[in-house]
Amino acid sequence: QVQLQESGPGLVKPSQTLSLTCTVSGGSISSGGYYWSWIRQPAGKGLEWIGRLYTSGSTNYNPSLKSRVTISVDTSKNQFSLKLNSVTAADTAVYYCARVGRSVVDFDYWGQGTLVTVSS
Amino acid sequence: EIVLTQSPGTLSLSPGERATLSCRASQSVSNNYLAWYQQKPGQAPRLLISGASSRATGIPDRFSGSGSGTDFTLTISRLEPEDFAVFYCQQYGGSPPYTFGQGTKLQI
Repeated sequence: QVQLQESGPGLVKPSQTLSLTCTVSGGSISSGGYYWSWIRQPAGKGLEWIGRLYTSGSTNYNPSLKSRVTISVDTSKNQFSLKLNSVTAADTAVYYCARVGRSVVDFDYWGQGTLVTVSS
Repeated sequence: EIVLTQSPGTLSLSPGERATLSCRASQSVSNNYLAWYQQKPGQAPRLLISGASSRATGIPDRFSGSGSGTDFTLTISRLEPEDFAVFYCQQYGGSPPYTFGQGTKLQI
């Protein structure tokens, strides 16, 4: 059973960089040919896809965030990471990491989510 | 980018009743690449339906999905107390970005 766990600072100052890591257990991140994604959800609002990464290192990002986002992988640690720079209060949200399903259509495994607040 | 609009915003029903949730896309969803999720307070979303009509692993058969093109439906045949939550539809147009609907809250 694949499990994902987000980690990182819960508070980030405006204009700084938000950095989160997702640790995958129950399977190797580099086997099976899966994509791995980040998704966020502001309090009381809907879900927004941030981007995805293939274990080869190739990435795709949401055009609305593309200029500020980097997703990378560390296969030796079975982790992938999110960096979002120049954050503002609008980036305050629960951030989820998730595995993209075999069909590439949906997200079949999710982390529990981590709240990141942008505030001085 | 395909925009998904869910209706109703809130649906009030009782256990044992049938729930019908709608998801409409701003343009045709290619290959019916549409999924449904259930989210309970404080939890991550859980995949219910993939490919518009295929139940995910472990999902009870009272959950069913249907539709094609721009109109999709999630039906819960007989509501159980644990079914009350927020439901989201999500599409994949063959290439990113993935987009989600704004959600339907199913309440008692």
